[in-house]
Amino acid sequence: SQQGEEDPQALSIQEGENATMNCSYKTSINNLQWYRQNSGRGLVHLILIRSNEREKHSGRLRVTLDTSKKSSSLLITASRAADTASYFCAPISGNTPLVFGKGTRLSVIA
Amino acid sequence: GAVVSQHPSWVICKSGTSVKIECRSLDFQATTMFWYRQFPKQSLMLMATSNEGSKATYEQGVEKDKFLINHASLTLSTLTVTSAHPEDSSFYICSARVAAGTEAFFGQGTRLTVV
Repeated sequence: SQQGEEDPQALSIQEGENATMNCSYKTSINNLQWYRQNSGRGLVHLILIRSNEREKHSGRLRVTLDTSKKSSSLLITASRAADTASYFCAPISGNTPLVFGKGTRLSVIA
Repeated sequence: GAVVSQHPSWVICKSGTSVKIECRSLDFQATTMFWYRQFPKQSLMLMATSNEGSKATYEQGVEKDKFLINHASLTLSTLTVTSAHPEDSSFYICSARVAAGTEAFFGQGTRLTVV
């Protein structure tokens, strides 16, 4: 199994601004998943993008995937204070378990 | 989305005792469940992968005799921390998924404090 590496490790923005976080991985994947963790809680699945997809949208979330660069990005538009959380990516190939990197800690200031 | 219930959400126990944490998938059958632990301000560390009806696969450095995992049915996995010590105090999280490569659903976590 492989873990993704999120960048930046921390991000602080004003409410209403967009937040972009990136994920890099090392080996080929079947799909890549993004999760959110609020402090002291379990993770919540946000979006799954398959290796043959380049972009996917879900509400205010936009995920891109570039398999040639082995990277993905998560864009949150019009951020809200409730978006404050840690965000993790999980590159998946085969039956591998989800392994997580350090994540990006997003703070949205009202 | 699918619901995974983890119980208890917090527990305090004395050193030397054992603690059992349950993880249930409420509205789907989970072929695979995962157990993680998380220290403050750190990422989740995968402890083990359990498949229904078979022995759990532990990650390197995780003591299988200390962290007993049972996956007796497609909707229930349990983690038992045996002979707990203060250094076992942590946040334990389970997750479950229907099939390989699909999204995982997480429990709300269990805060274990060993005194």
